[in-house]
Amino acid sequence: GAVVSQHPSRVICKSGTSVKIECRSLDFQATTMFWYRQFPKQSLMLMATSNEGSKATYEQGVEKDKFLINHASLTLSTLTVTSAHPEDSSFYICSAISTKNYGYTFGSGTRLTVV
Amino acid sequence: GENVEQHPSTLSVQEGDSAVIKCTYSDSASNYFPWYKQELGKGPQLIIDIRSNVGEKKDQRIAVTLNKTAKHFSLHITETQPEDSAVYFCAAPQYSGGGADGLTFGKGTHLIIQP
Repeated sequence: GAVVSQHPSRVICKSGTSVKIECRSLDFQATTMFWYRQFPKQSLMLMATSNEGSKATYEQGVEKDKFLINHASLTLSTLTVTSAHPEDSSFYICSAISTKNYGYTFGSGTRLTVV
Repeated sequence: GENVEQHPSTLSVQEGDSAVIKCTYSDSASNYFPWYKQELGKGPQLIIDIRSNVGEKKDQRIAVTLNKTAKHFSLHITETQPEDSAVYFCAAPQYSGGGADGLTFGKGTHLIIQP
């Protein structure tokens, strides 16, 4: 089946630093990648949509200068949380539409803790 | 954009009994309705999905029904087992204007299987 590999699974960083999260589609080409954020005991909220080779589209209320998304290839998208603050601590999850089964495949998530 | 409501927020059933989780959506043009299972600290895992051209789909102990007129869809799990304990999310495409859309998720149902 379609697999999206997400790394790291957990990361702790200091306030003011930046953190990069990677998502790779292992056995299909991900023309479009989605990034979600999930706070504890809450649902997933769409942050942005990235299409390979073009600028990402951000949902209302999501700061594009804080959450930098790069989708330079059909198998790799990255999310960089810049100048992280404790309120950015969350579970970040990527997802891609699989050209194999046209369903949404999710990565395993990254637990970001900003101290 | 789509609005998805999910009920109940918590559901406790005896092992072996059936569990039903219900969702409603707002956009009559939505055409894809997945259900995800999420275990603690992990990304969502697709368990079943349905497209708007069918009213029911079944996969072993899991079934999904769709009522397009009423704009609601339900997840049915029969013969529940302890490993079914998790948080379940329903979802629908955020926008129905065509193209690749991210998903709008319900708030989730914490399913507890009592031994």
